[in-house]
Amino acid sequence: NAGVTQTPKFQVLKTGQSMTLQCAQDMNHEYMSWYRQDPGMGLRLIHYSVGAGITDQGEVPNGYNVSRSTTEDFPLRLLSAAPSQTSVYFCASSSRPGQGGEAFFGQGTRLTVV
Amino acid sequence: AQSVTQPDIHITVSEGASLELRCNYSYGATPYLFWYVQSPGQGLQLLLKYFSGDTLVQGIKGFEAEFKRSQSSFNLRKPSVHWSDAAEYFCAVGASGYSTLTFGKGTMLLVSP
Repeated sequence: NAGVTQTPKFQVLKTGQSMTLQCAQDMNHEYMSWYRQDPGMGLRLIHYSVGAGITDQGEVPNGYNVSRSTTEDFPLRLLSAAPSQTSVYFCASSSRPGQGGEAFFGQGTRLTVV
Repeated sequence: AQSVTQPDIHITVSEGASLELRCNYSYGATPYLFWYVQSPGQGLQLLLKYFSGDTLVQGIKGFEAEFKRSQSSFNLRKPSVHWSDAAEYFCAVGASGYSTLTFGKGTMLLVSP
């Protein structure tokens, strides 16, 4: 019963490098989201998807890219890492509000950009 | 757009004492409301949720929350706090037909012996 799985758990990047944070869910949820968590800022929405092939921007999308080719996977790409992207990243999946609606979170990816 | 305010950044409670964490939301219609807990280095775990019906909602780990429309609040309560409750607590709101949640900035709960 995996739920939402994020990889890697920790990552150190140099400024300018690119990388992909992986997220997979096995609950057949339509909705998936990426948040970043910074001290004193709560969780801020980066990008989200309401189904395969459909994505949209959240509150802080700059410097990130997403795609959703399958229901299960929702990778987050950092195009050219910057120190301001040092953060903890959480992926979440949820069903429609009428089907339960609560978000299930992965364990997070702690990213440091030097 | 909806928003969430958690007025208290930190709260310290003695073990065995009662707890109330405050959450105020801004949204024009009846929102979907959630409380999540995050232990250090962990992801977020759902404590309870309110969609409709009874305004007093029971959750896991002995927590409850009350939706008060007139005050735009959804405060979290526990009658007797245990040391293991020390964590960060997040209130979140979803608008009608939502596909994502808006989170407050969190309240860090410290439990003293």
